[in-house]
Parts: sequence; C-alpha cells; structure tokens
Amino acid sequence: DGGITQSPKYLFRKEGQNVTLSCEQNLNHDAMYWYRQDPGQGLRLIYYSQIVNDFQKGDIAEGYSVSREKKESFPLTVTSAQKNPTAFYLCASSHDAPRAPYGYTFGSGTRLTVV
Amino acid sequence: RKEVEQDPGPFNVPEGATVAFNCTYSNSASQSFFWYRQDCRKEPKLLMSVYSSGNEDGRFTAQLNRASQYISLLIRDSKLSDSATYLCVVGSGGYNKLIFGAGTRLAVHP
Repeated sequence: DGGITQSPKYLFRKEGQNVTLSCEQNLNHDAMYWYRQDPGQGLRLIYYSQIVNDFQKGDIAEGYSVSREKKESFPLTVTSAQKNPTAFYLCASSHDAPRAPYGYTFGSGTRLTVV
Repeated sequence: RKEVEQDPGPFNVPEGATVAFNCTYSNSASQSFFWYRQDCRKEPKLLMSVYSSGNEDGRFTAQLNRASQYISLLIRDSKLSDSATYLCVVGSGGYNKLIFGAGTRLAVHP
C-alpha cells in the first residue's frame, strides 16, 4: 500500500546537536512538505518542495534545512541554530498541488525532544 | 489576524447530539477547503473537502460561504469515536500549500 513513512517516531536531541528526520513516500506525489506542531497550536509550515532539486522556505524556516534529491524523499535537518526544537514534526505530500478532493497525505510524525 | 481562525473549544457534548464548528479565513483568493480530523498525538487525517455547493458524507455536512469567507462543519448524531480535534484547512491563493487553523476540540461523552 502507498503511503508516507516518517522515522524515527521519537527522537531525543542534546543541546547543540544537529538531527535529521526522515520522510519517504511511495505515492508518486510531486510535492512534499514539513510542518511543525506545538501543543495546542496549529501546524506551521517549515519548508516545502514542489519538484526534485527545488524547495521553498515556509513561515518558520530559520534553524532548519532540507534537501530534495529524489522524488520519494524529503529529509529535514534540525540544526543547533533552532533554539526551541521540541515539537511534533509532520511530513506531508500531495499531487502537484493540494487541491480538493485530495489535499495532503500525512506521515505519522516524529516527536522531537531536547534533553 | 490569523489566516484561518477557529473557536478552540472544547465542545463537550453527549452522544447523539448535533454539533457545529465554524471557521473563517482571510485570503479571498483561496480555492481549496478541507476539514481534517486529528486524534491525540496522531497525524491529521482528511475528513472531507468543502465545496461552495455544500457537501455531505454520512453524518457530516460541510458548507462554504465564499462571500463571507466562512466554512462550517456539522456533525449529527455524535458518537464517542468522534472525539478529536477538527482542523479547518484552506489552500493558499497560489495553490501550492495548505494553511491550518489551530483546531476545535470535540469531546463526546456517554
């Protein structure tokens, strides 16, 4: 079955470390997205990519980096420059644009905690 | 002003009740509209798309008023399993990403 796989499910980061969150999809979707969700808040867009080798900053890109070398993969690196990285990170994908009736398909998320 | 605004709730209702959620959005150029459901500590899942003509899926009815930039979701005959957070989601004017409201929490009790 097609879907999006995020790994790991839980991740613990020490102060000053960079960590990379994996996101892989086999839906043949062109576009992929990274969102962050904090408790009681909505999803905020970090980065998105509509095509291989191209990506755009979202609303809160500072302290994060991404790459899109393959259509199936869109890893997110949380760098030491991100001062408050503890959050629930969600990866999503869509056909060329997230139009009705399909919207996004989400992965199951990675819960990142700074220790 | 937030791009998508929702009443955070929580809405506490008994089983069998009818409950309505409202949402407003600020970008008049938006062209796609959705309701997503998110269970505690899980990813959001698409509940239904929303169209100007209104649409229904079983006990769920969604309405869109473009003139007022207002979206609604009506749940009839609430079940315990409907307890979740409901996210109002609007496409950006450029069609390239979705913007999420903070969600309305629903708790259905016996």
